Amino acid sequence: GAGVSQSPSNKVTEKGKDVELRCDPISGHTALYWYRQRLGQGLEFLIYFQGNSAPDKSGLPSDRFSAERTGESVSTLTIQRTQQEDSAVYLCASSRRQLQDEQYFGPGTRLTVT
Amino acid sequence: QQPVQSPQAVILREGEDAVINCSSSKALYSVHWYRQKHGEAPVFLMILLKGGEQKGHDKISASFNEKKQQSSLYLTASQLSYSGTYFCGTRGAGSYQLTFGKGTKLSVIP
Repeated sequence: GAGVSQSPSNKVTEKGKDVELRCDPISGHTALYWYRQRLGQGLEFLIYFQGNSAPDKSGLPSDRFSAERTGESVSTLTIQRTQQEDSAVYLCASSRRQLQDEQYFGPGTRLTVT
Repeated sequence: QQPVQSPQAVILREGEDAVINCSSSKALYSVHWYRQKHGEAPVFLMILLKGGEQKGHDKISASFNEKKQQSSLYLTASQLSYSGTYFCGTRGAGSYQLTFGKGTKLSVIP
């Protein structure tokens, strides 16, 4: 079946603009995660959704970052007033149900803020 | 807190063995291992849960010392395809977050 998909694959934006990153999880997966990966670094947790609710938003770096999920499916990560330090690869992952299920990662969106 | 992985990098010849370690300063409920090849998404290897349960691929082995908050990933008879960066992710009891280490870069050469 289809894996996790993300769009766009690459995004170049000017400092101060808003961007929206999209994630389509594997069908039937109720858990969805967003991570940020800076060049040469590990994965930084941003937010976790169980269904459409986000019990843990503590990883969001600032109030410029927000995320939502609708229909227990698609999720959107929005970054307002982008800064150069937001440049990174943003990865989305989904898992069947529980926190202890394996996570399936999407290919990521490479965001470059100029 | 971010778990500490060691070594940071290792080079192996095909057929050699390696151990990658992951250590945390906080009590852990589970440890997750992923491998990421350059330019690709991370791929699941194994989950180790407090109490001894494990989920993962048959060809991968790992251990989880709950008292020491440490986990080790064992790669035996390495193949070229094992090359990549290995990340451990740790989760504390009651936490939703999976906190990843900085990774261990493994290079297998012929």
